[in-house]
Amino acid sequence: EVQLVESGGGLVQPGGSLRLSCAASGFTFSDHYMDWVRQAPGKGLEWVGRTRNKANSYTTEYAASVKGRFTISRDDSKNLLFLQMNSLKTEDTAVYYCVKLLYDQGWCFELWGRGTLVTVSS
Amino acid sequence: DIQMTQSPSSLSASVGDRVIITCRASQGISNYLAWFQQKPGKAPKSLIYATSSLQSGVPSKFSGSGSGTDFTLTISSLQPEDFATYYCQQYKSYPLTFGGGTKVEIK
Repeated sequence: EVQLVESGGGLVQPGGSLRLSCAASGFTFSDHYMDWVRQAPGKGLEWVGRTRNKANSYTTEYAASVKGRFTISRDDSKNLLFLQMNSLKTEDTAVYYCVKLLYDQGWCFELWGRGTLVTVSS
Repeated sequence: DIQMTQSPSSLSASVGDRVIITCRASQGISNYLAWFQQKPGKAPKSLIYATSSLQSGVPSKFSGSGSGTDFTLTISSLQPEDFATYYCQQYKSYPLTFGGGTKVEIK
């Protein structure tokens, strides 16, 4: 079964750091681009960023709201995706989802994890 | 950034109704348009990509159409399990952007 399971969420103070993980199973993780998307409480979806696959040098893209503060990385040997979040702000409070992408006429979203809640508050 | 505008923001419909949701992009995105369904307290689910291609396992009552800047999601016969919030997304260029969502409620 293809599955994504996020972990690492929790309560953190403004200015703090947190590292989220996403464990992938049931597919060849190393072949796929992977994204992070977040959703603030009661709000819509916001794209956070992307890591490409090894064939594309693991390059990354970020939303302007997180660029310079968040870093996406991956460990293909362990089928893990990471989101390192530094200098956290209250507006980063959200459920964070990892997303597996499918290549078909471009890289599009295919499978979402269940999400992990990050709360930034003093 | 490409702005995605969905309409309506909410609608009330009855079981068996045909429902159409519209999504407009602020500039042309070719066919790089996806649709997602989200139920309360759950993760989004991918329904459609490339404007009209159904994700694996998605029933054929869902269909998508459009190109350029104007797109639609149609649910041919609304069922109780279809009451949810629907989002469109463009993936033509970075940053990827979503519409504000359309909440489909029971009349």
